Amino acid sequence: AQSVAQPEDQVNVAEGNPLTVKCTYSVSGNPYLFWYVQYPNRGLQFLLKYITGDNLVKGSYGFEAEFNKSQTSFHLKKPSALVSDSALYFCAVRSPTSNTGKLIFGQGTTLQVKP
Amino acid sequence: SAVISQKPSRDICQRGTSLTIQCQVDSQVTMMFWYRQQPGQSLTLIATANQGSEATYESGFVIDKFPISRPNLTFSTLTVSNMSPEDSSIYLCSVGYRGTDTQYFGPGTRLTVL
Repeated sequence: AQSVAQPEDQVNVAEGNPLTVKCTYSVSGNPYLFWYVQYPNRGLQFLLKYITGDNLVKGSYGFEAEFNKSQTSFHLKKPSALVSDSALYFCAVRSPTSNTGKLIFGQGTTLQVKP
Repeated sequence: SAVISQKPSRDICQRGTSLTIQCQVDSQVTMMFWYRQQPGQSLTLIATANQGSEATYESGFVIDKFPISRPNLTFSTLTVSNMSPEDSSIYLCSVGYRGTDTQYFGPGTRLTVL
């Protein structure tokens, strides 16, 4: 069965410091991996995805994520955090064999960036 | 990416009533989905809205409780029927295009059932 784990409920970083939000997955075959961000009282915004190619993918707002097949991970990173990055972050996976496009989401990680 | 709107943005409803949520996209899309996000929880797929045919429901969700329509390639509705407080959630539609694997989400409908 497909699954996604975000082991940290909350990540706290100081503004200007690098941030990492962790995600591990379990899916048969080569996964399609996604990161979304949700600001309070808002829908989900797409940040970035990995389908194939370079393991390091770059996305919106200066975020990037590294696909590591051996560790089945897809951690979200940013070199220098901003207070405005504070939000709820979701990792999601889709099986390439799925013909429905269904996304499986992790539990979410709240990122708190303090000034 | 698509511009997706949902109506209503929020509602407070009484137990036993039904609410229909609309999802409108500014362009034709291949796939439309409905997700539920219960308070403090992650997103769970309710169903895939199929244009011109019955929706495909995920395990644990049934058509009688969550009837879905998709009359064309830009519009879908989700009805939450015979509501109970356990149905209090954010309901989000998402869309996908043929040839791309990314889903884009609407702003969500925040439902509170008293």
